[in-house]
Amino acid sequence: SQKIEQNSEALNIQEGKTATLTCNYTNYSPAYLQWYRQDPGRGPVFLLLIRENEKEKRKERLKVTFDTTLKQSLFHITASQPADSATYLCALATGGGNKLTFGTGTQLKVEL
Amino acid sequence: DVKVTQSSRYLVKRTGEKVFLECVQDMDHENMFWYRQDPGLGLRLIYFSYDVKMKEKGDIPEGYSVSREKKERFSLILESASTNQTSMYLCASSDPSGLTDTQYFGPGTRLTVL
Repeated sequence: SQKIEQNSEALNIQEGKTATLTCNYTNYSPAYLQWYRQDPGRGPVFLLLIRENEKEKRKERLKVTFDTTLKQSLFHITASQPADSATYLCALATGGGNKLTFGTGTQLKVEL
Repeated sequence: DVKVTQSSRYLVKRTGEKVFLECVQDMDHENMFWYRQDPGLGLRLIYFSYDVKMKEKGDIPEGYSVSREKKERFSLILESASTNQTSMYLCASSDPSGLTDTQYFGPGTRLTVL
């Protein structure tokens, strides 16, 4: 069956460090992968998209990598701040019809 | 900026009631989606619509129906609410011509069924 897996355990890191979140998938061959941020009680907000022919994508302090051989994407936040604390979701286009399938998300807590 | 609004942030209903959740987007997007989000289960697609009056079932359509009479508005209907429908409901829209399927979400409606 098709699966998208993110670490369900919360990730706690110290302010200023780099946070790295993982998204693994099986039985998909996505043309691209997306990352979203979700704050408590709010809807997800799109952050970054990376295509299958791109190894790496950057946006300010965010960096995403995409390894189609390993079927894995890594999401990095450098120089993390308490304001980066949120749940981060990865999503793949699956099944056609412009649908996305989301991972369950990883909660990030950045501590002072 | 795309704006997706949902009619209520919090809603409390009784078992057996008919419940309407409304979603409006202001960017002329063809695609609209309804998800529910539960702890440990993530976002699950209930229904989506790719045009006015068009709809398709998602992964968990049982107990729900939808209506899309106008392009900007997509309604989720719980015909007879049950306690297992207590959840956070999220609406989203996307532009199929954008070729990236990026979805824009509303703030969510936290529904409690007693």
